[in-house]
Amino acid sequence: QSALTQPASVSGSPGQSITISCSGTSSDVGGYKFVSWYQQHPGKAPKIIIYEVSKRPSGVSNRFSGSKSDNTASLTISGLQAEDEADYYCMSYTTASTWVFGGGTKVTVL
Amino acid sequence: QVTLRESGPALVKSTQTLTLTCTFSGFSLSTSRMCVSWIRQPPGRALEWLALIDWEDDKYYSTSLRTRLTISKDTSKNQVVLTMTEMDPVDTATYYCARMNGGLTGVFDYWGQGALVTVSS
Repeated sequence: QSALTQPASVSGSPGQSITISCSGTSSDVGGYKFVSWYQQHPGKAPKIIIYEVSKRPSGVSNRFSGSKSDNTASLTISGLQAEDEADYYCMSYTTASTWVFGGGTKVTVL
Repeated sequence: QVTLRESGPALVKSTQTLTLTCTFSGFSLSTSRMCVSWIRQPPGRALEWLALIDWEDDKYYSTSLRTRLTISKDTSKNQVVLTMTEMDPVDTATYYCARMNGGLTGVFDYWGQGALVTVSS
């Protein structure tokens, strides 16, 4: 199972919106609504921020939103803040009953 | 309050077998739709899913690593154990255990702090 494809880095100024893409195949992203996104700050464990493509867990800012079209999922962070600087990973369930992560995207707040 | 904690050796030698234990609290692996998984992250690199065990004791493994991995649970001790054989320096990573709530299509909603394992040649 190959890793999902994410851009290595995305940057934006405070207040701006950025979007991170996550490309897979019909065997993972395109085949299910079970795409999730995780935020990871340096030295910390990942934290769930989006599940089932677009749902936010309780306590997660509504500045985070998710969507999906065909084999590509996207995470949008609006009103970018300094605290959003972190690594972001997408994850999908697969037809092989396994889970696959993306390669990760480093978000920099300029 | 849900917590998970990984424990095991910080250093193993090449070709040895790694055994990691995830001790958790705040939930039971005998509860329907509860699962515990292992995920690793080499230094400076991406997350990689390794294995998962569910409430019915069904086990799922990474396609690329399945021949080297074994996952098991001790429900009475609230523990999940992962063994990985034939360790190699490329297996150097932080190993996380995480809870998946909601069955196989749930999310990893709670994670341990991670355990760094270094493999020497």
